[in-house]
Amino acid sequence: DAEITQSPRHKITETGRQVTLACHQTWNHNNMFWYRQDLGHGLRLIHYSYGVQDTNKGEVSDGYSVSRSNTEDLPLTLESAASSQTSVYFCASSERRTGGNTEAFFGQGTRLTVV
Amino acid sequence: AQSVTQLDSQVPVFEEAPVELRCNYSSSVSVYLFWYVQYPNQGLQLLLKYLSGSTLVKGINGFEAEFNKSQTSFHLRKPSVHISDTAEYFCAVSESYNTDKLIFGTGTRLQVFP
Repeated sequence: DAEITQSPRHKITETGRQVTLACHQTWNHNNMFWYRQDLGHGLRLIHYSYGVQDTNKGEVSDGYSVSRSNTEDLPLTLESAASSQTSVYFCASSERRTGGNTEAFFGQGTRLTVV
Repeated sequence: AQSVTQLDSQVPVFEEAPVELRCNYSSSVSVYLFWYVQYPNQGLQLLLKYLSGSTLVKGINGFEAEFNKSQTSFHLRKPSVHISDTAEYFCAVSESYNTDKLIFGTGTRLQVFP
């Protein structure tokens, strides 16, 4: 069965370190998204990609970067981790359809703690 | 720009009682609307979606939602809840053209008591 997997599931890192969260999907979806989930804020979009070599900023992109070198993977990098980036991170993918009528499939999440 | 408002952060209810989770959206263009559910320590999964056509949409696990364009609402309902419905519920919107990205509300925690 097709799936979307995130790794690691849990990560503790120190302030100032670079951290990369992995996201791998086997749906062959063109769209991939990174969200962060915080109490009282729901899910907020960090970055997204509509295909290989395409990346776009979401509403909370400062301090994060992504790259899309193939269809299956969209790693999220925190350039210099800050305590404000302690959160649960979700990756999602969906089929590209001009018109927005596409279901997103989510990974299990990565709980990141910055100390 | 679009936005989604879920006014109720928590909804406590007894088992077998009906429940309604409220969702209002704002957008200057036509939208597609979604409800997702998140069980503890899991990712989100789709409950139901409104794309076009009938304003009453039926989803999985006995949930349904009604799209009301004049009130810009998409409330989620279930006539009789179970303990297993305890979860976080998210309403989301995407524009009906130009983008596939979803904008989420802040979520409503449904707590079902025996």
